[in-house]
Amino acid sequence: EVQLVESGGGLGQAGGSLRLSCAASGFTFRNYDMHWVRQATGKGLEWVSGIGTGGDTDYAVSVRGRFTISRENAKNSLYLQMNSLTAGDTAVYYCVREGPTVWSAFDIWGQGTTVTVSS
Amino acid sequence: DIVMTQSPDSLAVSLGERATINCKSSQSVSCSSNTKNCLAWYQQKPGQPPKLLIYWTSTREAGVPDRFSGSGSGTDFTLTISSLQAEDVAVYYCQQYYSTPQTFGQGTKVEI
Repeated sequence: EVQLVESGGGLGQAGGSLRLSCAASGFTFRNYDMHWVRQATGKGLEWVSGIGTGGDTDYAVSVRGRFTISRENAKNSLYLQMNSLTAGDTAVYYCVREGPTVWSAFDIWGQGTTVTVSS
Repeated sequence: DIVMTQSPDSLAVSLGERATINCKSSQSVSCSSNTKNCLAWYQQKPGQPPKLLIYWTSTREAGVPDRFSGSGSGTDFTLTISSLQAEDVAVYYCQQYYSTPQTFGQGTKVEI
């Protein structure tokens, strides 16, 4: 079964750090671009960051310079290092797989991990 | 960034009736080298992650019932649920994946 399982969410302090992890299974992880998408309570979906199979990275303007996405193919794992947290980072964070072809939609989503930033 | 705007924000439809959701992009999302548009639709039920329903404007993901269909071109796209079922109550999002950042519409809540 293709699966993504996030962990690492919790309560963080404003100005502090958290590290999210995503464990992938059921597919050849190294062959897929991966992303983080977040959703504040009662709000819509916001793309946060993505990483290609070659390690190339992209970030939303709102997190650039504060968040770092990385992957460890040997461990089938995706990470998001979140620094200088603000209240605006409070959300459910989803680990997401991009489909296999050039220009693919997000075909597999994890259940999400909740990040709450307190001031 | 490409802005995706959905209408309406919410929609109440009787069981068995048709539901139509519109999505407009602020610029073309046509994927180069072919005639397809990089436009997807997702369904999100309460307490669940989003689920991919349709990609490339009109291609249904495996296992998605054929009452869901997508259409459109240029900057205007539509998701249609031909005969609404109780299990279709959800929020629906369109997304462009033509350019980074991949952006989503604000969502349309479908109720009975």
